[in-house]
Amino acid sequence: KQEVTQIPAALSVPEGENLVLNCSFTDSAIYNLQWFRQDPGKGLTSLLLIQSSQREQTSGRLNASLDKSSGRSTLYIAASQPGDSATYLCAVNLGQAGTALIFGKGTTLSVSS
Amino acid sequence: EAGVAQSPRYKIIEKRQSVAFWCNPISGHATLYWYQQILGQGPKLLIQFQNNGVVDDSQLPKDRFSAERLKGVDSTLKIQPAKLEDSAVYLCASSSPDRGEYGYTFGSGTRLTVV
Repeated sequence: KQEVTQIPAALSVPEGENLVLNCSFTDSAIYNLQWFRQDPGKGLTSLLLIQSSQREQTSGRLNASLDKSSGRSTLYIAASQPGDSATYLCAVNLGQAGTALIFGKGTTLSVSS
Repeated sequence: EAGVAQSPRYKIIEKRQSVAFWCNPISGHATLYWYQQILGQGPKLLIQFQNNGVVDDSQLPKDRFSAERLKGVDSTLKIQPAKLEDSAVYLCASSSPDRGEYGYTFGSGTRLTVV
């Protein structure tokens, strides 16, 4: 059974700091991995999607890497801002495109000004 | 492109009452998902539709939960009767892998409180 773990559960940093969020999964046979952002009381916003054949994806100050063989992914946020405060969720897609996502519990990030 | 629409945004009911949630996916997305997110947890799949057929409902508590997707477009999730532990955010998502779109788009969710 696939399990997704995110460490740390919560993180507080001052504005401007670079930070890394970690995600691990137990079964390396994934189709893709996706990082989401969730603001309090809101739905999920997709940040980055990495196909199993890819090593990393970048969008602005965000960079996500994938090491499928070791079952790990990291989300790197450069020069953090208070607006980055949210919960970040990692999810894997097993088997093939269109199958349901399996989520971790998330990392709640707080960036202070 | 319009996003995934969900209603209502919030609902408070007493235990043993019934409740229904509605979802309209992105136009043309064949795959629709309902997820349950309990506070402090990641979303958990309840049911997945491909067009109007059920692909996966293995984690749906079928004694109280039901869902349908008539005509392969919008969908309704119902709980009857509700229990206290059903308090959660119910998220709807859609995707279109048949069109080469591998991402998932989520709606804003319905926050259910059972008292």
